[in-house]
Amino acid sequence: GAGVSQSPSNKVTEKGKDVELRCDPISGHTALYWYRQSLGQGLEFLIYFQGNSAPDKSGLPSDRFSAERTGGSVSTLTIQRTQQEDSAVYLCASSLSGTGAGTDTQYFGPGTRLTVL
Amino acid sequence: KNEVEQSPQNLTAQEGEFITINCSYSVGISALHWLQQHPGGGIVSLFMLSSGKKKHGRLIATINIQEKHSSLHITASHPRDSAVYICAVRASGSRLTFGEGTQLTVNP
Repeated sequence: GAGVSQSPSNKVTEKGKDVELRCDPISGHTALYWYRQSLGQGLEFLIYFQGNSAPDKSGLPSDRFSAERTGGSVSTLTIQRTQQEDSAVYLCASSLSGTGAGTDTQYFGPGTRLTVL
Repeated sequence: KNEVEQSPQNLTAQEGEFITINCSYSVGISALHWLQQHPGGGIVSLFMLSSGKKKHGRLIATINIQEKHSSLHITASHPRDSAVYICAVRASGSRLTFGEGTQLTVNP
């Protein structure tokens, strides 16, 4: 596809259930990022994948959150035992290289709106 | 104090006006991003700066590394420019730290 895609676009779940959110980055992009935007708040970094390197998980808010990236492409963000405070828009972005030089533009997906009842 | 502070939080302008949004940060950075988020949530990367100035159409972004400050300017503003503009900095490693955003409304 031409851009970053995410699925589902909306997810409503009950407190305590597990959810999986999917991100398909732009083909050929080696770097993939997950962010969260809670209602009325700014964007928050969650996790970053770069090629085959160990992911930077420093933004994950608790051990209920995990993410994996299979085959260097598709990524899944999993939230276990969801809580109401997990309700937010979860955004995925990818970039060509993700190098520390900061010379890469990030392309954002449309996001998944998660509502935990 | 947030690492990235934007001002103003809200800005209302008349069509045609020159607009400036400011971003100050408190850490050393390798790059600064300006993002645009439209109603409905889609985010577009406008600029990525590590020094100097960049221009794209009616948008201009500048950065002063010594003063830890960046500005986003919009010339001849138009109602379609109405959006939230977000400043984000890349310090060490890969993570971005975001400002709270500036809600811009341009009235016809």
